Amino acid sequence: EPEVTQTPSHQVTQMGQEVILRCVPISNHLYFYWYRQILGQKVEFLVSFYNNEISEKSEIFDDQFSVERPDGSNFTLKIRSTKLEDSAMYFCASIDGQGGKTEAFFGQGTRLTVV
Amino acid sequence: LAKTTQPISMDSYEGQEVNITCSHNNIATNDYITWYQQFPSQGPRFIIQGYKTKVTNEVASLFIPADRKSSTLSLPRVSLSDTAVYYCLVGDGVNNFNKFYFGSGTKLNVKP
Repeated sequence: EPEVTQTPSHQVTQMGQEVILRCVPISNHLYFYWYRQILGQKVEFLVSFYNNEISEKSEIFDDQFSVERPDGSNFTLKIRSTKLEDSAMYFCASIDGQGGKTEAFFGQGTRLTVV
Repeated sequence: LAKTTQPISMDSYEGQEVNITCSHNNIATNDYITWYQQFPSQGPRFIIQGYKTKVTNEVASLFIPADRKSSTLSLPRVSLSDTAVYYCLVGDGVNNFNKFYFGSGTKLNVKP
């Protein structure tokens, strides 16, 4: 079964540093997302991406964050000047969106620890 | 987006049928109801989606009354491995994929 893959599985970074979280969505899917989940809390929407541009973003997704699809397969989340409160699991997801296929597939996540 | 309300937690025993109800009083005409399952330290996993009446797949059933202001996820004969958090989402996830929000979810604890 095709799957969304995320790397790295765990990233430790110093406060103030920049990190890039990487995702490979399922090929031929059209919609891409980033979510985060702080330990013990709910899954929070960050941003959605379609047709090579951001389609929606939450209030969490401020200037500190950016997304990019640099080639036909990767989808990245960049966090600039990380803060302690950015520590969380970050999940990437993709949806086919064609022919009534609406199921979102999530990756296994990247655990970001800011120290 | 319609807000959803679910019980915070539920307990069950192996082999029992579990029904988790979600309230969504402000559901819009175009909204679909989707349920996801999440195990600790894993990404959410799609379970089932429906618009009205009843939907069944190999994993679960989804019951939606005529007014669509609530829905019930039914898990037949649960096992220990069904211990997880279950999320109910409401949104136009068929024609509008721009965003979908997770609520607080229901933590299901299946006991032996």
